[in-house]
Amino acid sequence: NAGVTQTPKFQVLKTGQSMTLQCAQDMNHEYMSWYRQDPGMGLRLIHYSVGAGITDQGEVPNGYNVSRSTTEDFPLRLLSAAPSQTSVYFCASSYTQASQPQHFGDGTRLSIL
Amino acid sequence: EDKVVQSPLSLVVHEGDTVTLNCSYEVTNFRSLLWYKQEKKAPTFLFMLTSSGIEKKSGRLSSILDKKELFSILNITATQTGDSAVYLCAAGTGTASKLTFGTGTRLQVTL
Repeated sequence: NAGVTQTPKFQVLKTGQSMTLQCAQDMNHEYMSWYRQDPGMGLRLIHYSVGAGITDQGEVPNGYNVSRSTTEDFPLRLLSAAPSQTSVYFCASSYTQASQPQHFGDGTRLSIL
Repeated sequence: EDKVVQSPLSLVVHEGDTVTLNCSYEVTNFRSLLWYKQEKKAPTFLFMLTSSGIEKKSGRLSSILDKKELFSILNITATQTGDSAVYLCAAGTGTASKLTFGTGTRLQVTL
């Protein structure tokens, strides 16, 4: 059982570079989400999707884009990386809603220099 | 604005002690309260609570929800060093498709 798979596990970028964090789940979950976790801030929702073709903004969406072309994949794009985006990013999925237990990927540790 | 507050922020106990972690919430159209354990990597699901006064139990861990006073507690009895982790609680809402997380309680269990 793969569950939720995130790649890469670690990444270092320079300010202004762009990149895509990948997230895939094999549980046929409709709901997928991206969080960032910073010290003392807990998990904050960036974007979420309730199904293929549907995405919406969370609490901290600025500087990030998402798309959901398939049920399985939910990539997160950093458009022009900034040092403030240095964080640990988690992708999560649940059956249909956020209020159900979510399965998390192992995270991507991203550093922006 | 939806808010979840956890206390204490951190806690150090000796193996065998019992601990109680607190979570209070203020969210619109509350639906569920979830507890997660986070060690090195991904948070792992512990409990989901939707009804007041009904205790959920798994081994030495238990949790209960009070929807009138808007809080939940997570109890761990006979703590072990393997219980050392950050414990997160999150409130789920019915209308908005999102969870609001607290900042977590860092528990350290020493020998």
